[in-house]
Amino acid sequence: DAKTTQPPSMDCAEGRAANLPCNHSTISGNEYVYWYRQIHSQGPQYIIHGLKNNETNEMASLIITEDRKSSTLILPHATLRDTAVYYCIVRPNFGNEKLTFGTGTRLTIIP
Amino acid sequence: GAVVSQHPSWVICKSGTSVKIECRSLDFQATTMFWYRQFPKQSLMLMATSNEGSKATYEQGVEKDKFLINHASLTLSTLTVTSAHPEDSSFYICSASLGQVAGSYFGPGTRLTVT
Repeated sequence: DAKTTQPPSMDCAEGRAANLPCNHSTISGNEYVYWYRQIHSQGPQYIIHGLKNNETNEMASLIITEDRKSSTLILPHATLRDTAVYYCIVRPNFGNEKLTFGTGTRLTIIP
Repeated sequence: GAVVSQHPSWVICKSGTSVKIECRSLDFQATTMFWYRQFPKQSLMLMATSNEGSKATYEQGVEKDKFLINHASLTLSTLTVTSAHPEDSSFYICSASLGQVAGSYFGPGTRLTVT
């Protein structure tokens, strides 16, 4: 699987948009970009995934650059409950492929 | 979304004993489940891939005789930590895949403390 690079930590003010970057410069054509988050002492939670088009769901938006070498997860109106470690993962589009977690970004929402 | 449960949520056991952790997919069938381990302030480390009806595939460095995995049905996988030692104390998390490009769904985790 391609490796990803994320900043170790970020702060964001409550109510503002949180923009979390991820670099995946060695991504292959058949690899999707997935985002998960892990709130302290819980299992990871799926957020969103995409291949090359921008995606939006009720939780977040995913912006993927045209060359697919980087992406940004956007939480449009961050709340205190969004404080978590966010993981960006690239994975082939085979359903039963494993997920390999990097170190992620620890996002802290500031009141 | 899909729901994955784990039981127990936490367990304390004495050194040398064995502990079984269950992972269930509640509203879908999962031919493949994954087991992860997470030490404090570290990321999740994949231990093994559990396939229904066949032997599990272990990651390099994970002792298959110590961490026994059984995937007897499409909704249940179990991880047994045999002859547990204090260094096995960790947060164990399972996940199940819906297949195709759908994301994996994770259980809430089991915190194991070996005294």
